[in-house]
Amino acid sequence: EAGVTQFPSHSVIEKGQTVTLRCDPISGHDNLYWYRRVMGKEIKFLLHFVKESKQDESGMPNNRFLAERTGGTYSTLKVQPAELEDSGVYFCASSQDRREAYEQYFGPGTRLTVT
Amino acid sequence: DAKTTQPNSMESNEEEPVHLPCNHSTISGTDYIHWYRQLPSQGPEYVIHGLTSNVNNRMASLAIAEDRKSSTLILHRATLRDAAVYYCIPQRRGGSQGNLIFGKGTKLSVKP
Repeated sequence: EAGVTQFPSHSVIEKGQTVTLRCDPISGHDNLYWYRRVMGKEIKFLLHFVKESKQDESGMPNNRFLAERTGGTYSTLKVQPAELEDSGVYFCASSQDRREAYEQYFGPGTRLTVT
Repeated sequence: DAKTTQPNSMESNEEEPVHLPCNHSTISGTDYIHWYRQLPSQGPEYVIHGLTSNVNNRMASLAIAEDRKSSTLILHRATLRDAAVYYCIPQRRGGSQGNLIFGKGTKLSVKP
């Protein structure tokens, strides 16, 4: 079974440009999460989708970030316009719909560098 | 959310057991205790979880204190591949599947 995949693995853009990150969750996983780690900081939650609906977007830093999950399959995270402080590693994770404890499966991350 | 305390770093020799402690004295009675790890240049990886009883799987064992205020992740025979940052994360039982709150974790170094 394929794991969570993310594209691209690395992106270098200039301040003010737009970047779109993509995440393909494990097939059948209704829950999809975005996290990020900025330099020297801990991994922080950004938002959580259940199918195509945003369950929790409390971690989104500001309105320059837009996440979508059309059709409840893959998800995109767009940063527009990018700022220097957006540099970091963006992780996507997915999990099955279970009532009790559940594990999240993470992708390898996209390293974003804003210059 | 429950607060966790872990040592910043630990060292182990290859082939020896490793005990990674976590203090979570404010944990709720409905929180599971999860452990994840992050190998260099990879995304976090689920290791194990438990509620009250000790748990074993192919990767590790989890020993949970009787009062649930602390737990210990046990790697029975450390390998070089186990060098990673290990995170102890309380997770709410049931309900909506929320986000994971990562702390600083414990950086485990394994010496050959």
